[in-house]
Amino acid sequence: DTAVSQTPKYLVTQMGNDKSIKCEQNLGHDTMYWYKQDSKKFLKIMFSYNNKELIINETVPNRFSPKSPDKAHLNLHINSLELGDSAVYFCASSHAGQGSPQYFGPGTRLTVL
Amino acid sequence: GDSVTQMEGPVTLSEEAFLTINCTYTATGYPSLFWYVQYPGEGLQLLLKATKADDKGSNKGFEATYRKETTSFHLEKGSVQVSDSAVYFCAHYGGSQGNLIFGKGTKLSVKP
Repeated sequence: DTAVSQTPKYLVTQMGNDKSIKCEQNLGHDTMYWYKQDSKKFLKIMFSYNNKELIINETVPNRFSPKSPDKAHLNLHINSLELGDSAVYFCASSHAGQGSPQYFGPGTRLTVL
Repeated sequence: GDSVTQMEGPVTLSEEAFLTINCTYTATGYPSLFWYVQYPGEGLQLLLKATKADDKGSNKGFEATYRKETTSFHLEKGSVQVSDSAVYFCAHYGGSQGNLIFGKGTKLSVKP
């Protein structure tokens, strides 16, 4: 009965490659998110998305793009991977509204060589 | 702008010690406040929340009270256990895009 799941858990790849991380939630939430966590544990919001609106953090390079095939999925596609993209990426979901807590997936540790 | 400031870590305590992790926030209005916990190798888990001034959130022996006058939401536990070793994040919704704003996290290590 996993609430928010991500695959893969670990991803090791070469610079310049294109990769995707998948996220699924079975909580019936209407908003999903992607975060990047650096080595110092600092969390940075990358995207938030519901079926009406995609909000992009303006500091995120356009090599990163979210893709949502349906309300329960928000995948993250990354083009032309760079060394600095190495981090842990978390997917999260919530109901709309700022009183609603977000629920996080287990994370995907991306290592770019 | 909106922000969350947490005490610098790491914090190292002996088992059964009292824990306080300070959190102060800057926000427009009175947003809901959250504490999240991240155990090693895992994602963030909601620990507790408070939705309005003077509310007390509690879970697993942890407590935090929403203090409007001091814009604080300090996390406390009376007697920590080794299993409480984790990184703790304070957060609230805010900013120009209404996203969840996190503090930098406080790493807690509890020694037997």
